[in-house]
Amino acid sequence: NAGVMQNPRHLVRRRGQEARLRCSPMKGHSHVYWYRQLPEEGLKFMVYLQKENIIDESGMPKERFSAEFPKEGPSILRIQQVVRGDSAAYFCASSPSSGGESSYNEQFFGPGTRLTVL
Amino acid sequence: QQQVKQSPQSLIVQKGGISIINCAYENTAFDYFPWYQQFPGKGPALLIAIRPDVSEKKEGRFTISFNKSAKQFSLHIMDSQPGDSATYFCAARGGGTSYGKLTFGQGTILTVHP
Repeated sequence: NAGVMQNPRHLVRRRGQEARLRCSPMKGHSHVYWYRQLPEEGLKFMVYLQKENIIDESGMPKERFSAEFPKEGPSILRIQQVVRGDSAAYFCASSPSSGGESSYNEQFFGPGTRLTVL
Repeated sequence: QQQVKQSPQSLIVQKGGISIINCAYENTAFDYFPWYQQFPGKGPALLIAIRPDVSEKKEGRFTISFNKSAKQFSLHIMDSQPGDSATYFCAARGGGTSYGKLTFGQGTILTVHP
């Protein structure tokens, strides 16, 4: 039973380039969340998606960042024109649904993509 | 109001001792409180979680104590082992416009000396 998969695990980009981070949720999970972890800090929520829908993007920077979760294929977090401050670990998590009384609907995390901007 | 405050930032415990990490929150709309364990270079792994209608939950050496009136919860690791050395994050789910979003504490770096 494969867990959440993320690729690439490490990504190096020069300032101004684009970064694309991919996340495949656990089998049977239809909800995807992206979090960012800066060095020596906790995880910060970025965006919550369901298939073909953005549910909450309150944690996304207003510019250069976008996310999608198409009907087929992985979820993509795209960072355009990267800057050094974008260097961080980006984690994807998935859950079977968002919550409610029936279960905990735990979020399970992938191994992360470590982005380094030169 | 969306913050989760975690303490201490770092903790050193002798093997066999009890590790205690505390978290506090303000938003009463939070409805689920998980703890995650993270090793260097890895993703956070779900350790144990609790809902606010329960005051305590125990799984093996790990126990969550929950005080709804004080809006505080804590993780106790009994018989701490060197293999428990990791960063621990508390989190809270819900509140605001997103039911699914987790708000994390700042993390506690636990070191267990042999």
